[in-house]
Amino acid sequence: RKEVEQDPGPFNVPEGATVAFNCTYSNSASQSFFWYRQDCRKEPKLLMSVYSSGNEDGRFTAQLNRASQYISLLIRDSKLSDSATYLCVVKGTDSWGKLQFGAGTQVVVTP
Amino acid sequence: GAVVSQHPSWVICKSGTSVKIECRSLDFQATTMFWYRQFPKQSLMLMATSNEGSKATYEQGVEKDKFLINHASLTLSTLTVTSAHPEDSSFYICSARMGDGPQHFGDGTRLSIL
Repeated sequence: RKEVEQDPGPFNVPEGATVAFNCTYSNSASQSFFWYRQDCRKEPKLLMSVYSSGNEDGRFTAQLNRASQYISLLIRDSKLSDSATYLCVVKGTDSWGKLQFGAGTQVVVTP
Repeated sequence: GAVVSQHPSWVICKSGTSVKIECRSLDFQATTMFWYRQFPKQSLMLMATSNEGSKATYEQGVEKDKFLINHASLTLSTLTVTSAHPEDSSFYICSARMGDGPQHFGDGTRLSIL
């Protein structure tokens, strides 16, 4: 079983609509979670950290469900520029704190 | 903000060539550096982790004699793909971290071996 699993999509979203997707993780001891954004042929960029109580950053809302071991990302009022692959990332519990990446969920926002 | 520079951004070379990729932290001291590889439509896969001045720790299945990593200073790590073959063609990304701080990613190197 993969450490971090995501629905690869693509999620085709009309501009202005809301889209949400989840990611599951296997290590129940994990403490730190992130959403990264990766554009085609580019490096991943941190979108937001995910906190236990859930958190919002503008149009982006992240939630953590420890009991079911999943995190979610919701994008409201989608913009064309939101088209990207969203990577779910879990910080490992090893001494290095290695990041475990999901394969990403592709979001395509259409006019 | 913290900047990590990776060079070159794109490499095309013949099979059997060795290729060196540099990763520099421009405005902070990178005590730990990570090297990842990403194949199309797949997740970033960690290849190795290194602390400055120490030998790199390789992930299972990554050949240390094939992928030579040097982290000689707090601002520079290099990855050398020795005798590269077409199956080594991939997107290689480094990241750097100071202490237990956040990881900052380089902008990646696209390696194509003909």
